[in-house]
Amino acid sequence: GENVEQHPSTLSVQEGDSAVIKCTYSDSASNYFPWYKQELGKRPQLIIDIRSNVGEKKDQRIAVTLNKTAKHFSLHITETQPEDSAVYFCAASAGNTPLVFGKGTRLSVIA
Amino acid sequence: DSGVTQTPKHLITATGQRVTLRCSPRSGDLSVYWYQQSLDQGLQFLIQYYNGEERAKGNILERFSAQQFPDLHSELNLSSLELGDSALYFCASSGIPEASGDAYQETQYFGPGTRLLVL
Repeated sequence: GENVEQHPSTLSVQEGDSAVIKCTYSDSASNYFPWYKQELGKRPQLIIDIRSNVGEKKDQRIAVTLNKTAKHFSLHITETQPEDSAVYFCAASAGNTPLVFGKGTRLSVIA
Repeated sequence: DSGVTQTPKHLITATGQRVTLRCSPRSGDLSVYWYQQSLDQGLQFLIQYYNGEERAKGNILERFSAQQFPDLHSELNLSSLELGDSALYFCASSGIPEASGDAYQETQYFGPGTRLLVL
């Protein structure tokens, strides 16, 4: 089955700097890659997703890139703000199979 | 607000007991997923229902069971509870997959979760 590895597990950045979180997946059939943000005690919220027919997608300060050959995808957050502090999860799925999540990255943005 | 509701918000019970968690999906969504999130852990997929039928099974213990009713709400039943079952339980819902080209997973929207504490 699918296996998703996520790095780093913790990340601290200065406010205004960029943050990058990377994930690798094992199933070459995977074609859907969402990213979720979870604040303490709250629900995971979708922040951006990408499907395998595109290599990059951007939404304001957030971007996701996908390298199907290398089987990895990354989340890029630019001009980080304190409210970006949260746990971020990547996930992958193949066809209509359930999502497999990475173990999460705890991002701290230091003001 | 994702449109997915879960009850109760909090649940405190004792070992050996049985509890039922409830989830109502977003209007129109046919798929419901259940996840378990232990302290500082990721999201572990338990089970998926689609339009009343079990669609996929993950790391769900035999002590746990679920069902989806004709009105599409779902219940997760946890029995013979152990201390290690203490966790946040989320449900998520998604719509009908597009019938075009490659099938892919529809976006999942998560409910607020039920925090279960087993003492």
